Amino acid sequence: ETGVTQSPTHLIKTRGQQVTLRCSSQSGHNTVSWYQQALGQGPQFIFQYYREEENGRGNFPPRFSGLQFPNYSSELNVNALELDDSALYLCATLGRGERVDTGELFFGEGSRLTVL
Amino acid sequence: RKEVEQDPGPFNVPEGATVAFNCTYSNSASQSFFWYRQDCRKEPKLLMSVYSSGNEDGRFTAQLNRASQYISLLIRDSKLSDSATYLCVVVNQAGTALIFGKGTTLSVSS
Repeated sequence: ETGVTQSPTHLIKTRGQQVTLRCSSQSGHNTVSWYQQALGQGPQFIFQYYREEENGRGNFPPRFSGLQFPNYSSELNVNALELDDSALYLCATLGRGERVDTGELFFGEGSRLTVL
Repeated sequence: RKEVEQDPGPFNVPEGATVAFNCTYSNSASQSFFWYRQDCRKEPKLLMSVYSSGNEDGRFTAQLNRASQYISLLIRDSKLSDSATYLCVVVNQAGTALIFGKGTTLSVSS
């Protein structure tokens, strides 16, 4: 049990629609990252938020955007959905004072998005 | 060239076998390395860190060769419960993200 909760667990959208995925974590986990994992691939880094500001971004277009709230919960928004956006979206959090290079990221179970 | 490359397998081995996974990374400036384990339809979980001096945790041994930019994971005396996908991971230069390989699938049978 990582203490990271994601919702919804599964959803189906059609091309061109918009989707919002949510993540909540243990108290004090003030760094949150989002990853996309396509079938048969490893997770790919989308972006990271720290204290409500984006402080790192992977190779994803601007239609992927995020928010982090004062309670450290987070959202991933994807606009103009494409078929290739079908994937498992993973949220990962770090405890206060922790760093990514310690590897102590706590992953949620993910939101599985299917775009038709 | 991909930043982290792994042989995807699958590796199919009997219980008790020893199996080795390999991984290469492209950025010679990389400083931190890990192996993660991912069960089917579940989230990745940290298995162990990887150091040049080697790192052993029970039946699992991880090794880093900086000169060759090569990372390995050895599993001895395989158990049925070891069946999973093993992901080789490197931290990006900014220290903000994990870069994952595609993963190597292991299936241990009785």
